[in-house]
Amino acid sequence: QKEVEQNSGPLSVPEGAIASLNCTYSDRGSQSFFWYRQYSGKSPELIMSIYSNGDKEDGRFTAQLNKASQYVSLLIRDSQPSDSATYLCAFGGDYKLSFGAGTTVTVRA
Amino acid sequence: SQTIHQWPATLVQPVGSPLSLECTVEGTSNPNLYWYRQAAGRGLQLLFYSVGIGQISSEVPQNLSASRPQDRQFILSSKKLLLSDSGFYLCAWTGTGYNSPLHFGNGTRLTVT
Repeated sequence: QKEVEQNSGPLSVPEGAIASLNCTYSDRGSQSFFWYRQYSGKSPELIMSIYSNGDKEDGRFTAQLNKASQYVSLLIRDSQPSDSATYLCAFGGDYKLSFGAGTTVTVRA
Repeated sequence: SQTIHQWPATLVQPVGSPLSLECTVEGTSNPNLYWYRQAAGRGLQLLFYSVGIGQISSEVPQNLSASRPQDRQFILSSKKLLLSDSGFYLCAWTGTGYNSPLHFGNGTRLTVT
């Protein structure tokens, strides 16, 4: 599978702060990029998709894509305890997605 | 709306026993279907995917196999389980669009003893 590297965790942030997650990928031909959230013992759920360079905002989440640098990030603003989970980045473009190992985020009250 | 059903939720099987995990998708036609495995504390490993009935692509050589007998049904099987087969098995689907995101079922936690 193609390589995906995520910033190592775990990441601990205070409630109300910004959590910043980063991911780099190896395949320059990738066309689609996603962020998934996975609570402990549960399956991943899609929280963001991004296909073009730049920023995409959805509520408290902002995804940033830089294809030239092969880099995608996720910002979680006003972090809440319910945001405590493992975040997986994924990329693909040929009917298959490759996933990073995930970054575990803990939001402390 | 589309839903994906996967069962059973948990399974404990002895080494050498067979395995059959089933997944069905509702509310869509001709989905792409996937089986992923997640070992404890690890990332997601793609095992098989299918873009149509009877079409199976294998990503990792091992003692598992997959079948797609119907458009919205995907089955993961093994004739003899190994200890290393333990993990969290996830079925997922995408639409036919080239860049469609994956949507996962609730998963099956398999423990081989």
